[in-house]
Amino acid sequence: DAGITQSPRHKVTETGTPVTLRCHQTENHRYMYWYRQDPGHGLRLIHYSYGVKDTDKGEVSDGYSVSRSKTEDFLLTLESATSSQTSVYFCATGMGFGGMAEQFFGPGTRLTVL
Amino acid sequence: AQSVTQPDIHITVSEGASLELRCNYSYGATPYLFWYVQSPGQGLQLLLKYFSGDTLVQGIKGFEAEFKRSQSSFNLRKPSVHWSDAAEYFCAVGADYNQGGKLIFGQGTELSVKP
Repeated sequence: DAGITQSPRHKVTETGTPVTLRCHQTENHRYMYWYRQDPGHGLRLIHYSYGVKDTDKGEVSDGYSVSRSKTEDFLLTLESATSSQTSVYFCATGMGFGGMAEQFFGPGTRLTVL
Repeated sequence: AQSVTQPDIHITVSEGASLELRCNYSYGATPYLFWYVQSPGQGLQLLLKYFSGDTLVQGIKGFEAEFKRSQSSFNLRKPSVHWSDAAEYFCAVGADYNQGGKLIFGQGTELSVKP
């Protein structure tokens, strides 16, 4: 398995506070992704990165921003957390598209916004 | 646009029985297809993948899947289910080459196993 860690693994915060989730990989994969998982919705892509400083929006990007200053780190920031952002967040990495589109997932971060 | 449909939200099977989880996709070209499994409280693990060639692909944990282009399907099968197979299963299709290697996921099928 790819070495992907997420921190923190659990977080409880209050509405209106900023939150940053970190994803760290040791596999030197070019692509990195942030998903949220909610009951009845499966996995939904928030943002992704196709290289250092290269990022793009996914299908549910409102209220989230990302940064990637190094190949191994991909940060997800909730500028002002809301209760609707209570979810489980997964980071994933990948080597490309098509035949190389397999993604490797981290263990997840459970975020609760009160 | 690509999409993936898993028609069954929840399936219950008896231990030792056979299993088939359905997946239908919408994609214009030859798809790249994946099945992932998620155990409770865990991340997703790849079970198997189809890129080209033989339409019956073998994966880990005794799973297999068959790609049927005429039916736009990629169903997951296992001949004899074990209690440890209880988990959520996700089908996914690879997006177009100019979309950053994204995967489009289905909504998942939760599998329960009766003793």
